[in-house]
Amino acid sequence: TQLLEQSPQFLSIQEGENLTVYCNSSSVFSSLQWYRQEPGEGPVLLVTVVTGGEVKKLKRLTFQFGDARKDSSLHITAAQPGDTGLYLCAGSRRLNYGGSQGNLIFGKGTKLSVKP
Amino acid sequence: EAQVTQNPRYLITVTGKKLTVTCSQNMNHEYMSWYRQDPGLGLRQIYYSMNVEVTDKGDVPEGYKVSRKEKRNFPLILESPSPNQTSLYFCASSLLQGETQYFGPGTRLLVL
Repeated sequence: TQLLEQSPQFLSIQEGENLTVYCNSSSVFSSLQWYRQEPGEGPVLLVTVVTGGEVKKLKRLTFQFGDARKDSSLHITAAQPGDTGLYLCAGSRRLNYGGSQGNLIFGKGTKLSVKP
Repeated sequence: EAQVTQNPRYLITVTGKKLTVTCSQNMNHEYMSWYRQDPGLGLRQIYYSMNVEVTDKGDVPEGYKVSRKEKRNFPLILESPSPNQTSLYFCASSLLQGETQYFGPGTRLLVL
C-alpha cells in the first residue's frame, strides 16, 4: 500500500509555464517535506510544512499543506530548465506512544522536465 | 562542511561476493537510514538506526545487514549479493527519526 500518492508521475513543459504537482494520502501526517533530486545525486530538502493550511514560498515555488494534513501541493511559477528534477514528498506520522515521529514515508515522485 | 559520505560511488560485482558500502555523517545525528531507489518503485527503506547499537528493519531488509558501532558510521553489508539487488543506494541521516533527512550522494551497484 502506497501511503503517499504523487501526481503526475511525469511532467514535461516549456520554460515559462506554470505547474502544480500533488501529494495525497488518506493518512494524517504531523509534517510533510518536499525534496528535489537531480540525476546522479541524493534528494535535497526544499521545505517542511507542519501546520494544516500552511503556505510556504521559496522564490518561484509555493508549497501548501492541506487543512486536514493529508495532502500537499507544490506550485512552480514560470518554470526554468534549472527546475528539472525528481520532486519527492515525504510524510512523518506521530506514533501513538511517546509522541515521537515514525519513519519518513516517501512518495514515488514526480519527474519534471523543463525544456528551454 | 556538514555532509553524508558514501563509498564506493559505483560498484560492479558478481553474485555471491560479499560487499560493504560505507556511510559516514559528521553532523552528530542520532538517526541513520539506508534506502534503495528503483525505477517505478521510488525510495524504499532497507534498515534504519535510532542510535548506536540500535538498528531495525525497514520495508525491504531481506539480503542486507547493517551495524551501528559508532554514531557517525552506518555500513550496509550484502553477504551474498544477487542480481535483484542491483540498484541505487542512498544513506541518509537526521537529528531524530522523522525529521529532515540529509542524503549521501548515492552508490550505484550492479550485481552480475
